Amino acid sequence: EVQLVESGGGLVQPGGSLRLSCAASGFIFSSYWMTWVRQAPGKGLECVANIKPDGSEKYYVDSVKGRFTISRDNAKNSLSLQMNSLRDEDTAVYYCTREGGGLDYWGQGTLVTVSS
Amino acid sequence: DVVMTQSPLSLSVTLGQAASISCRSSQSVLYSDGNTYLNWYQQRPGHSPRRLLYKVSNRDSGVPDRFSGSGSGSDFTLKISRVEAEDVGVYYCMQRSSWPITFGQGTRLEIK
Repeated sequence: EVQLVESGGGLVQPGGSLRLSCAASGFIFSSYWMTWVRQAPGKGLECVANIKPDGSEKYYVDSVKGRFTISRDNAKNSLSLQMNSLRDEDTAVYYCTREGGGLDYWGQGTLVTVSS
Repeated sequence: DVVMTQSPLSLSVTLGQAASISCRSSQSVLYSDGNTYLNWYQQRPGHSPRRLLYKVSNRDSGVPDRFSGSGSGSDFTLKISRVEAEDVGVYYCMQRSSWPITFGQGTRLEIK
C-alpha cells in the first residue's frame, strides 16, 4: 500500500525557516517524480515544487523560487522541502504527492503557519 | 502558466440527480507524447484530495462508475450520473502537461 507521511509543520515567524519531510513507502520511490502541493486555509490547490526521480531536475512555482528547496534521499525513501524567508502567504497545508500520471497519491498534509 | 477555469464554482444537487462540472484551460493540455494530462480530484471535507480520473476519462481504482470524464484540447467535463451523499466536497481539475502543474479554482458540491 502506498503511503506518504508528512512531518515538520508548525508555527514560524515571518522571515523564518522550516523543513518539511515526507516518508514514502509501498512503492519504488526512486522511480517517481515527487511533488509538493499546498493549500491555504479555505483556498484551492497550488503546486509548489517537484523533483525528478534521480534528483537531477527540480522545478518551482515563481512565488517560492529562491526561497524553497526541494530535495530527496532515495536511499531513505524520503522527500524534503526546505522553506526559508517564510511569508504570511506561505501559510498552508503542505501535501507530499507522487506523480504517477498526474498526482495519484497524496499524504495527509502538514500545516505550516507563518505568523508573528 | 496554464490557467484552469472551472464552472460552476458551486453546485447544489438533489440526491440521485446528475451533476456536471466544466473545466477549460487557457491553452491546449495535449502533451507532445500524445496524451492529455487532465485529471479530476475530489476533496471531501477534512480530507486530502483524492484522484478520481486521469488522462481525461480513466477512472482510478475504487472510483464508482457514476463518475465519468470527457473532453479534449482545452475543454473538459466531469459528470456524476447519480449524486450520492458521499459525493459532497470540492472537485478540482488539474493539468500536468506543462509546468507549473495548475488546478482549477474548485467546484463545491452540496446536496440540496
